[in-house]
Amino acid sequence: AQRVTQPEKLLSVFKGAPVELKCNYSYSGSPELFWYVQYSRQRLQLLLRHISRESIKGFTADLNKGETSFHLKKPFAQEEDSAMYYCALSAFSGGYNKLIFGAGTRLAVHP
Amino acid sequence: DSGVTQTPKHLITATGQRVTLRCSPRSGDLSVYWYQQSLDQGLQFLIQYYNGEERAKGNILERFSAQQFPDLHSELNLSSLELGDSALYFCASSADSRGELFFGEGSRLTVL
Repeated sequence: AQRVTQPEKLLSVFKGAPVELKCNYSYSGSPELFWYVQYSRQRLQLLLRHISRESIKGFTADLNKGETSFHLKKPFAQEEDSAMYYCALSAFSGGYNKLIFGAGTRLAVHP
Repeated sequence: DSGVTQTPKHLITATGQRVTLRCSPRSGDLSVYWYQQSLDQGLQFLIQYYNGEERAKGNILERFSAQQFPDLHSELNLSSLELGDSALYFCASSADSRGELFFGEGSRLTVL
């Protein structure tokens, strides 16, 4: 089965603390993984994808195929990072790709 | 602005009724996706269209149907509405089925 699991509904940290938003996936093929973010009153938007291996707004995510994980990390959280974060898996099924999202984790960064 | 437009933004209706949600993708995007976001369910994939053809189906109820028209806009039809259908319905588009998704602002449906 194709599934994305984000075990934490809410992650609450103080400004300057490290952040790790967990994501695990279940997929028999070669995974393509993404992190999407939704800031307050804004649209859902792409934050980063594992293929590009880049750091966006200080966030990084490494695909660990052994642990089937794609955790999102930032060494020092900022208040403006407060948002809803969704991990997503691009799964090939029935001849086509579809994007499957996790339940999301709300990150709250306190001053 | 991502360019994906959804109407209506808000809709309040009664159980048993039928509603249609509309989505205009970004200019040039051939793929349209529909997602349902309920309070504790996260984003549930409903259905995907590519250039007018259904490409993938997720957890879409039989009471729900969708289509993508020749001008590439899409409609999601929800019928025999139940209280549990109250949710935010998102449309997204992409240039192809493997690319980045661009989301609309969503249509908030409240069933009373």
